[in-house]
Amino acid sequence: QVQLVQSGAEVKKPGSSVKVSCKASGGTFRNYPINWVRQAPGQGLEWMGGIIPVFDSPNYAQKYDGRLTITTDESTSTAYMELNSLTSEDTAVYYCARDGNYFDASGPLPFEHWGQGTLVAVSS
Amino acid sequence: EIVLTQSPATLSLSPGERATLSCRASQSVTTSLAWFQQKPGQAPRLLIYGASNRATGIPARFSGSGSGTDFTLTISSLEPEDFAVYYCQQRSNWITFGQGTRLEIK
Repeated sequence: QVQLVQSGAEVKKPGSSVKVSCKASGGTFRNYPINWVRQAPGQGLEWMGGIIPVFDSPNYAQKYDGRLTITTDESTSTAYMELNSLTSEDTAVYYCARDGNYFDASGPLPFEHWGQGTLVAVSS
Repeated sequence: EIVLTQSPATLSLSPGERATLSCRASQSVTTSLAWFQQKPGQAPRLLIYGASNRATGIPARFSGSGSGTDFTLTISSLEPEDFAVYYCQQRSNWITFGQGTRLEIK
């Protein structure tokens, strides 16, 4: 049974940083790519970046390059998303989403499992 | 960046009717296209991957087709629980989502 459990809601001041965690259960953590997606209020889905733990090499959407850091801790099967220099436009629900096994012969299923989402509100 | 354009923005249908949702890519994504369903207050759910493959547990009334730049998600006979927002996603070149199609009850 795969589960992705994210950390709780956050309220942040403009200019600060936020770090959201995503703890995974089910499967060998290092073989499953983790992505981060955000959704502003009433808006669509936006991919921010992702990481394959076994390679430990994150990829970031150009929009977030320099402001976003994605890391993993294999000892606790947890992925982290840290976003710096927050503005009100970063107010959104942040989701982690895990692909299927990267080493599957047919390729990993995209975004097969999702966390419950973490609301980050940025306000002065 | 590959832009995905979904149409229509809103689709109003009745239970039992057939729904056809479109997703057009700004350049070819071959078959690296997925569809997701999202209900209010919930995380998205994977429906279709590789343009035409149903994910585990997805009912047979959902089907996907297309390749290159034009893709379609078809729901053969709408059930009450199918009214939601649907997103397409490509991962041929980085990852982008379409803006979504809201499927509402007529």
